Amino acid sequence: DTAVSQTPKYLVTQMGNDKSIKCEQNLGHDTMYWYKQDSKKFLKIMFSYNNKELIINETVPNRFSPKSPDKAHLNLHINSLELGDSAVYFCASTPGDRLNTEAFFGQGTRLTVV
Amino acid sequence: AQTVTQSQPEMSVQEAETVTLSCTYDTSESDYYLFWYKQPPSRQMILVIRQEAYKQQNATENRFSVNFQKAAKSFSLKISDSQLGDAAMYFCAFQGAQKLVFGQGTRLTINP
Repeated sequence: DTAVSQTPKYLVTQMGNDKSIKCEQNLGHDTMYWYKQDSKKFLKIMFSYNNKELIINETVPNRFSPKSPDKAHLNLHINSLELGDSAVYFCASTPGDRLNTEAFFGQGTRLTVV
Repeated sequence: AQTVTQSQPEMSVQEAETVTLSCTYDTSESDYYLFWYKQPPSRQMILVIRQEAYKQQNATENRFSVNFQKAAKSFSLKISDSQLGDAAMYFCAFQGAQKLVFGQGTRLTINP
């Protein structure tokens, strides 16, 4: 069983389209994250949710809207896609209350906007 | 706000030698953990080593060890007896209350 799974793994789409990336974790963790990894490999935190509540929104354009229907799922919807949105997006989860436990990551979604 | 800085975008080392990757961080929190993660070309994020902020003893995992200087907010990773499989991006990370922040990463190349 995959601990944190993201779908799709690859996504190619045209500018202006709307797309979603899904993330699910089966670890019982309370906290989930979305990160954007650009071409320089910098992992930038976008959002953090704890028990379905938004905790962190790191000055991300409002074209990006996370949704957490329950604490095991954190989806990312992107409206009006732009060329600069091309990146690898990672979902991750942590227990939330035990800082010594490492984060578990999905395999990443490579988004290419053409 | 927490920040993590890795000042070495790229490092290279001869196989079997030792290399040290640097990391500094800034925080006002007293309870936190520090991690080093490895990202090979497969994109998978792999935990290398973790350090508890309240422990003075440096963490060690086989060939990997850290030099944790809490007052200086420094957390470097030493890789001994470098192997070809160690080639990857290495990320230093700060885990505080509900926030996990990464440094910019260091690309490590191993020369045979």
